[in-house]
Amino acid sequence: GDSVTQMEGPVTLSEEAFLTINCTYTATGYPSLFWYVQYPGEGLQLLLKATKADDKGSNKGFEATYRKETTSFHLEKGSVQVSDSAVYFCASGAGSYQLTFGKGTKLSVIP
Amino acid sequence: GAGVSQSPSNKVTEKGKDVELRCDPISGHTALYWYRQSLGQGLEFLIYFQGNSAPDKSGLPSDRFSAERTGGSVSTLTIQRTQQEDSAVYLCASSLELYGGGYSNQPQHFGDGTRLSIL
Repeated sequence: GDSVTQMEGPVTLSEEAFLTINCTYTATGYPSLFWYVQYPGEGLQLLLKATKADDKGSNKGFEATYRKETTSFHLEKGSVQVSDSAVYFCASGAGSYQLTFGKGTKLSVIP
Repeated sequence: GAGVSQSPSNKVTEKGKDVELRCDPISGHTALYWYRQSLGQGLEFLIYFQGNSAPDKSGLPSDRFSAERTGGSVSTLTIQRTQQEDSAVYLCASSLELYGGGYSNQPQHFGDGTRLSIL
């Protein structure tokens, strides 16, 4: 079956540091890929998405590129802020209704 | 506009009691999803509705769990004879109509969840 693997957390960074959260997927066909973010006490919010190979999703300074050859969708941000502290979930959707989520990576940014 | 609304936001109940969780999706969203988020476990898919019908109930963990949706809008997730392992955050999401036969998924929009604690 489909699966999503993302790097284990927690990740602790200083403000303005570079962020990478790795995500790889296995799926039949060509799934759409998503990053969701969950701030403390809130539900998940869509952060960005990409629907085909080589697409780059971007939002709020975050970017992720759909790499078919490496089946990856790594999340990056050049300079993190304290307000970016949250749990980040990578997800894939392969043409059906069901999204497959990774287990989440908790990010803490310290001033 | 209004997002996905879930109620209650918190529910504490005794083992063996029944609970009902409610989800009010974004207006116009025909697809509705229930997930369970347990500590350290990520998101577990429970059930999905397209309109009022649930094509796939395979994610429901046991026959104590059931869900319905009426009028293509509000959905309720019912857990009967609750057990301590049912303690989790139950998330609801909704999305627009899916493209038939395609490989793209519409993004899912999530509510803030119901935190269920079984004593």
